[in-house]
Amino acid sequence: DQQVKQNSPSLSVQEGRISILNCDYTNSMFDYFLWYKKYPAEGPTFLISISSIKDKNEDGRFTVFLNKSAKHLSLHIVPSQPGDSAVYFCAAGGNYGQNFVFGPGTRLSVLP
Amino acid sequence: NAGVTQTPKFQVLKTGQSMTLQCAQDMNHNSMYWYRQDPGMGLRLIYYSASEGTTDKGEVPNGYNVSRLNKREFSLRLESAAPSQTSVYFCASSRMQGPGELFFGEGSRLTVL
Repeated sequence: DQQVKQNSPSLSVQEGRISILNCDYTNSMFDYFLWYKKYPAEGPTFLISISSIKDKNEDGRFTVFLNKSAKHLSLHIVPSQPGDSAVYFCAAGGNYGQNFVFGPGTRLSVLP
Repeated sequence: NAGVTQTPKFQVLKTGQSMTLQCAQDMNHNSMYWYRQDPGMGLRLIYYSASEGTTDKGEVPNGYNVSRLNKREFSLRLESAAPSQTSVYFCASSRMQGPGELFFGEGSRLTVL
């Protein structure tokens, strides 16, 4: 049973609009979350993180929201750009040496 | 600034053959990891090394062995490759186990016929 779920395998968005990628987790021990971006034939690269003591973290065009009671987080990209087209992985882990568990990924396509 | 370097990038094996994937990091990180990526499955942890001199099993360790050669290097060995091990393998490192960013290599695509 997957502990980290990304229920949308793919998402298409028009350039300039908002992209919203969702992630759900089942393990209440998870208290640190990351988003990674992956281009074809490259390794994943870190995008943004959030600790469970916060419910929002922003970095430029990227904002991550965490709803602990719903065990749900989302990544907002505003405005979306064609260069954002990639696979996005959500990962969850713990502050006490837990290794990160990754979701299956969502492929984002930003259309010009 | 190479970061995390994996070799080889591509490999084709026959069932039963053995091979070793090499990984090296130049960021003085304590923890290193091997993941595999399969379609629809995300990244699954095979083995990890929280610090030099220690290794532990992850989620999918069967059919693999690892060696933490020194602080920089962490290798993954397939002793008798099987078609189910066809995958893309990623090495990663982090300053320490726990919260914080993982840095990934570019990946090694392995096909077992």
